[in-house]
Amino acid sequence: KNEVEQSPQNLTAQEGEFITINCSYSVGISALHWLQQHPGGGIVSLFMLSSGKKKHGRLIATINIQEKHSSLHITASHPRDSAVYICAVPQVETSGSRLTFGEGTQLTVNP
Amino acid sequence: NAGVTQTPKFRILKIGQSMTLQCTQDMNHNYMYWYRQDPGMGLKLIYYSVGAGITDKGEVPNGYNVSRSTTEDFPLRLELAAPSQTSVYFCASSYSGPGGNIQYFGAGTRLSVL
Repeated sequence: KNEVEQSPQNLTAQEGEFITINCSYSVGISALHWLQQHPGGGIVSLFMLSSGKKKHGRLIATINIQEKHSSLHITASHPRDSAVYICAVPQVETSGSRLTFGEGTQLTVNP
Repeated sequence: NAGVTQTPKFRILKIGQSMTLQCTQDMNHNYMYWYRQDPGMGLKLIYYSVGAGITDKGEVPNGYNVSRSTTEDFPLRLELAAPSQTSVYFCASSYSGPGGNIQYFGAGTRLSVL
């Protein structure tokens, strides 16, 4: 089974700081997903990436396939970035039809 | 487009009652999923479907049933509700598997079994 480990579990930052959340997985994958769960509970997909780097606004996701590692960066963090960030990878033993999720990183950005 | 719509948003059940959580998507997605999320925990897959007429168990299927008679609808049935089924339930859909497509989530159903 593809194990997914996220770090840190909890992260508190001051507004404007550069944030990094890490994700490691154990088995080679075709793509990795980053999701955001808002304080109200809603879940949205932020990125799906299979190589290199993707950028959307102040969010940047990178992946190193050889090292089985991905990072999510937030530049110039803002209190509205406070949320749970979740990493997920396709589950290899089910032919990639479902995701294995990390436990999430709770980010709090203080003004 | 409405995306993924879940009803109801909140529900309180008594132990032993049954109910159906509704999920509808209007994006013509083949894959649909039901997850539960317990307080402070990650998402756990209950059931999923790769197309109409095809369903399969996830990590935590006990106490639940699903059907997929149409592409759009993927209802989740709880039979004989138990306190352990108190959770937030999310439905999601994607065009194909997660190796190539992102998942779109519904707003969630908050269920309490008392």
